[in-house]
Amino acid sequence: ETGVTQSPTHLIKTRGQQVTLRCSSQSGHNTVSWYQQALGQGPQFIFQYYREEENGRGNFPPRFSGLQFPNYSSELNVNALELDDSALYLCASSSLPGNTIYFGEGSWLTVV
Amino acid sequence: GQQVMQIPQYQHVQEGEDFTTYCNSSTTLSNIQWYKQRPGGHPVFLIQLVKSGEVKKQKRLTFQFGEAKKNSSLHITATQTTDVGTYFCAAQIQGAQKLVFGQGTRLTINP
Repeated sequence: ETGVTQSPTHLIKTRGQQVTLRCSSQSGHNTVSWYQQALGQGPQFIFQYYREEENGRGNFPPRFSGLQFPNYSSELNVNALELDDSALYLCASSSLPGNTIYFGEGSWLTVV
Repeated sequence: GQQVMQIPQYQHVQEGEDFTTYCNSSTTLSNIQWYKQRPGGHPVFLIQLVKSGEVKKQKRLTFQFGEAKKNSSLHITATQTTDVGTYFCAAQIQGAQKLVFGQGTRLTINP
């Protein structure tokens, strides 16, 4: 157990809809990163939040957005869902940017 | 963008055989991390290597970081069925906060 919790664990959405995924970081961790893992691939960095500010972004379009709250929990929002957005979305927390990250169990998103 | 190449993509061994996966980058890495992901699970942190030429061991697992800090390997001696899963290397590129993951090596074992 890493202490990083994500919800929901599984969900199905229709193309064009919007989705919000949630993450609670490990106690004492102020940095949250989000990764997308397509089937059979390695995780791809979406973005990182540190002390409520975006602290780096990967090669994802603006319809992927995020938020970090004062308690360091975080949300990932994806608008205008596409079929290719179907993936495992992983949240990871760390005590500081660049420190070892610990993954939650992920949210499986299926877009139909 | 920065890529980390990992080979092989798949490896099937008999239980008791050894297993090695390799990770290569064209640029110098700040550090390299290794993760294991069981089928249906999430990546679990195994180890981080920071120093040039570093070698670390965890029971039957041996991790190496190249002298030039551009490559790394994970070697498992005498595999067991509990070793089944996908092993990923992940590189923290100098100056960047993100981790760049390799494609992973999926290990399956014939008992």
